Amino acid sequence: DGGITQSPKYLFRKEGQNVTLSCEQNLNHDAMYWYRQDPGQGLRLIYYSQIVNDFQKGDIAEGYSVSREKKESFPLTVTSAQKNPTAFYLCASRRSGTGANVLTFGAGSRLTVL
Amino acid sequence: DAKTTQPPSMDCAEGRAANLPCNHSTISGNEYVYWYRQIHSQGPQYIIHGLKNNETNEMASLIITEDRKSSTLILPHATLRDTAVYYCIVGNMNYGGSQGNLIFGKGTKLSVKP
Repeated sequence: DGGITQSPKYLFRKEGQNVTLSCEQNLNHDAMYWYRQDPGQGLRLIYYSQIVNDFQKGDIAEGYSVSREKKESFPLTVTSAQKNPTAFYLCASRRSGTGANVLTFGAGSRLTVL
Repeated sequence: DAKTTQPPSMDCAEGRAANLPCNHSTISGNEYVYWYRQIHSQGPQYIIHGLKNNETNEMASLIITEDRKSSTLILPHATLRDTAVYYCIVGNMNYGGSQGNLIFGKGTKLSVKP
């Protein structure tokens, strides 16, 4: 079945360490997104990419970095510069073209900084 | 900022219809209404979307008022597994750049009770 796979599901990190969250999709979608969710809150956009080798900052990009070397993959690195990285991270993708904008989400990765 | 207003929480008896309201008084002519839900600690799941007409699929029905300033998501026979946070979102149909981002507010926490 087509979908989005995020890994790891749970991750613990010491302060000062970088960590990379994986996001892979086999939906043949062009656009991919990373969101952050804090307890009881909505989703906030970190980065998005509409095409391979291109990505743009979202609303809260500081302390994060991404790459888009392959259509299927959009990894997110949480750097030591991110002041409050403990959160639930969600990756999403959508097909390109006109019409309705339906996002498909992964199951999420929960990062805890010790 | 989210362009929609939803009640923070609602209860529904199992087997009864759940009617979730949403106000989007500033919706523009080319914006769809989308509904997603998020079960605890999972990624959001797409439910349904509409532009002007009422819509129905295997999960739910969407009723949009004639002036498009509000809508209602209807789960016809709620089950315990429908307990989740439901997000009502308005989004541009021309999703270039950051317009492809859907802004998820805090949503409505629906609790289905036996």
